[in-house]
Amino acid sequence: SQELEQSPQSLIVQEGKNLTINCTSSKTLYGLYWYKQKYGEGLIFLMMLQKGGEEKSHEKITAKLDEKKQQSSLHITASQPSHAGIYLCGVLGAQKLVFGQGTRLTINP
Amino acid sequence: NAGVTQTPKFQVLKTGQSMTLQCAQDMNHEYMSWYRQDPGMGLRLIHYSVGAGITDQGEVPNGYNVSRSTTEDFPLRLLSAAPSQTSVYFCASKGFYGYTFGSGTRLTVV
Repeated sequence: SQELEQSPQSLIVQEGKNLTINCTSSKTLYGLYWYKQKYGEGLIFLMMLQKGGEEKSHEKITAKLDEKKQQSSLHITASQPSHAGIYLCGVLGAQKLVFGQGTRLTINP
Repeated sequence: NAGVTQTPKFQVLKTGQSMTLQCAQDMNHEYMSWYRQDPGMGLRLIHYSVGAGITDQGEVPNGYNVSRSTTEDFPLRLLSAAPSQTSVYFCASKGFYGYTFGSGTRLTVV
């Protein structure tokens, strides 16, 4: 079965700094989802990447899919307190989403 | 607003009690699922359903029952709660544009 490993598991950055979260797959990536979760809330859909080399941006968040590396990266530019939360990558398995273990992002003012 | 609604948001149970976590969606999605989220283990699939009357087991189905009598509702039943079932539970439905998650139910079994 496909497994996803996220790095780092935890990240603390100063407000205004840039940061990157990586998601590495044990198998070829044919598509990948990024979600964000805040404490006490559900998972909020950020982006879906469907093919190698694809790059999508939403506000200050950019995600890329590198199928050769079997990896996706999520980059946040000029981080803000509203970016704090847990970021999860996920892939479609047989009838389910397979998730990475998550990256906990803390933004210090 | 269209989406997935989970109730309750918080619940404390005593060991051995039973309860039902409710999940409803108004997007006419055929696929619905239940996940549990535990620290260091990410989200794991409990049960899923590909349509009314059809359910199947996920990775961690033991101790949980589900049924799907309508497209809209997919309740998760704990027959005899155990401390190991302390977790955050998420219901999700899947449509053309991907998955939509509920806001979660935080369950504590004491």
